[in-house]
Amino acid sequence: DGGITQSPKYLFRKEGQNVTLSCEQNLNHDAMYWYRQDPGQGLRLIYYSQIVNDFQKGDIAEGYSVSREKKESFPLTVTSAQKNPTAFYLCASSMPGQHNGYTFGSGTRLTVV
Amino acid sequence: AQSVTQLGSHVSVSEGALVLLRCNYSSSVPPYLFWYVQYPNQGLQLLLKYTSAATLVKGINGFEAEFKKSETSFHLTKPSAHMSDAAEYFCAVNPVETGRRALTFGSGTRLQVQP
Repeated sequence: DGGITQSPKYLFRKEGQNVTLSCEQNLNHDAMYWYRQDPGQGLRLIYYSQIVNDFQKGDIAEGYSVSREKKESFPLTVTSAQKNPTAFYLCASSMPGQHNGYTFGSGTRLTVV
Repeated sequence: AQSVTQLGSHVSVSEGALVLLRCNYSSSVPPYLFWYVQYPNQGLQLLLKYTSAATLVKGINGFEAEFKKSETSFHLTKPSAHMSDAAEYFCAVNPVETGRRALTFGSGTRLQVQP
């Protein structure tokens, strides 16, 4: 079955360390997205990519980095510059076109210890 | 910038009662609008979407939403709540008049269903 896979489901990081969250899809979707979810704040856009080797900053890109070397993969790195990284991270993908809905992964919960 | 506002962070209904979750958007041009549902510790699932084809949109699990341009609203309804409807619901907008090509989400409404 086609879908979008995020790994790991839970991740613990020490302060000062970078960590990379994985997102893989086999839906043949061109566009991929990363959102951060905090209680009471909904989802906030970190980065998105409409096509391989291209990506754009979202609303809260500071302290994060991404790459899009393959259509299927859109990893997110949370760097030590991110001041408050503890959150639930959601990856999504879609076909081109503003009218298309997103398919979401099941999320990664990152905790800084 | 286009945005969506969800009125009420928590809504509680009795099983069998009408569910009404409110969403208002801000845009000078009717945008594309979406409702998603999220169960605890999971990703979001698309319930329904408005893409200008019809103002009354039917979705999964018996939910529907009506686009009202005059009220800039896209409220989500279900005639009879079921215990399994307890979840968090998000309204989202994909504006047509800007270069931004990603959804903007509301802050969410947590639905509780009382037996």
